[in-house]
Amino acid sequence: NAGVTQTPKFRILKIGQSMTLQCTQDMNHNYMYWYRQDPGMGLKLIYYSVGAGITDKGEVPNGYNVSRSTTEDFPLRLELAAPSQTSVYFCASSHREGSGNTIYFGEGSWLTVV
Amino acid sequence: DQQVKQNSPSLSVQEGRISILNCDYTNSMFDYFLWYKKYPAEGPTFLISISSIKDKNEDGRFTVFLNKSAKHLSLHIVPSQPGDSAVYFCAASARRASGTYKYIFGTGTRLKVLA
Repeated sequence: NAGVTQTPKFRILKIGQSMTLQCTQDMNHNYMYWYRQDPGMGLKLIYYSVGAGITDKGEVPNGYNVSRSTTEDFPLRLELAAPSQTSVYFCASSHREGSGNTIYFGEGSWLTVV
Repeated sequence: DQQVKQNSPSLSVQEGRISILNCDYTNSMFDYFLWYKKYPAEGPTFLISISSIKDKNEDGRFTVFLNKSAKHLSLHIVPSQPGDSAVYFCAASARRASGTYKYIFGTGTRLKVLA
């Protein structure tokens, strides 16, 4: 039972480089999310998707892009990496939204920008 | 504006005793609340939830209490076990103007259960 799988687990980027964090889920969930967690802070929503082809900004979208071409995959693209993007990134999914629905998280991707 | 607050960054409890983790919120539109547990180098895992129409939900050693008038929820773990040592996040769900839902997470409380 894979659930939500994200890669890579760890990555060091140089300022100005670009990269894509991959996320895939095998639960046939409609909703997918990307969160980041900074030290001592809660999880902040970067982008979310309510289904294939539909994405929307969360609380902290600047510097990121997403796409959702299939139900299973929701990659997060970092363009022109900056030190402020050093964080732990979590991909998540849920069947629906709102009351009664649980979000399932991947194991996280630790990104350092130097 | 932190709509979901966990004011205790850490808590230490003796094994076998009760652990009480607290969470306060400011938005009266929140209608669903969740608790997640997170071990180091892992993603958060769902623990227990409660709808705003209830004031208590129990699952084994875990009980969540909701006090809507005080905008306060708490997670009780009885009895506490060393394996419960983790960071606990509370989260709340509310509907956006667009009709989709948002989940707001607290900053977490690190629980340490002492053997």
